[in-house]
Amino acid sequence: GENVEQHPSTLSVQEGDSAVIKCTYSDSASNYFPWYKQELGKRPQLIIDIRSNVGEKKDQRIAVTLNKTAKHFSLHITETQPEDSAVYFCAASSQGGKLIFGQGTELSVKP
Amino acid sequence: EAEVAQSPRYKITEKSQAVAFWCDPISGHATLYWYRQILGQGPELLVQFQDESVVDDSQLPKDRFSAERLKGVDSTLKIQPAELGDSAMYLCASSAGQGAATGELFFGEGSRLTVL
Repeated sequence: GENVEQHPSTLSVQEGDSAVIKCTYSDSASNYFPWYKQELGKRPQLIIDIRSNVGEKKDQRIAVTLNKTAKHFSLHITETQPEDSAVYFCAASSQGGKLIFGQGTELSVKP
Repeated sequence: EAEVAQSPRYKITEKSQAVAFWCDPISGHATLYWYRQILGQGPELLVQFQDESVVDDSQLPKDRFSAERLKGVDSTLKIQPAELGDSAMYLCASSAGQGAATGELFFGEGSRLTVL
């Protein structure tokens, strides 16, 4: 079955710096890769996703890149702000299949 | 804005007792998921329903866990008997598509279980 590895587990940056979180997946049939943000005590919420037919997607300060050959994808947050502090989860799924999550990255943005 | 409803929000129970969690997905969402999230870890899929049918329950500990979605709408997850290791957040999610890749998952606020 699918396995998703995520790193780093914790990441601390200064406000205004960039943050990068990386994930690898094992199932070459996976074709959908969402990223969820979970603030303390709250539900996970989708922030951006990418499908296997594109290599990069951007939404304001957030971007995701996908390398199908290497089976890895990354989340990039630019100009980080304190409100970006949260736990971020990557996930992977194949068509009609289940969504498998990584272990999470706790991002701390220091003012 | 429509949301996934879950209850109870918090449950404290003693080991060997039975517990049940309820989930009402967003209206019209055919796919419903139950995830377990242990503190500091990512959500782990327990069971996935497509309408009233189980699509995947390979990670559900069937000796003590059961899940149903009888009319293809709301769902119940039961644990009997509860064990100390079951302490976790139980998250329900729903999506409009068939499978995660066809539609965004919307999560409920979760049911936090503490087993003493």
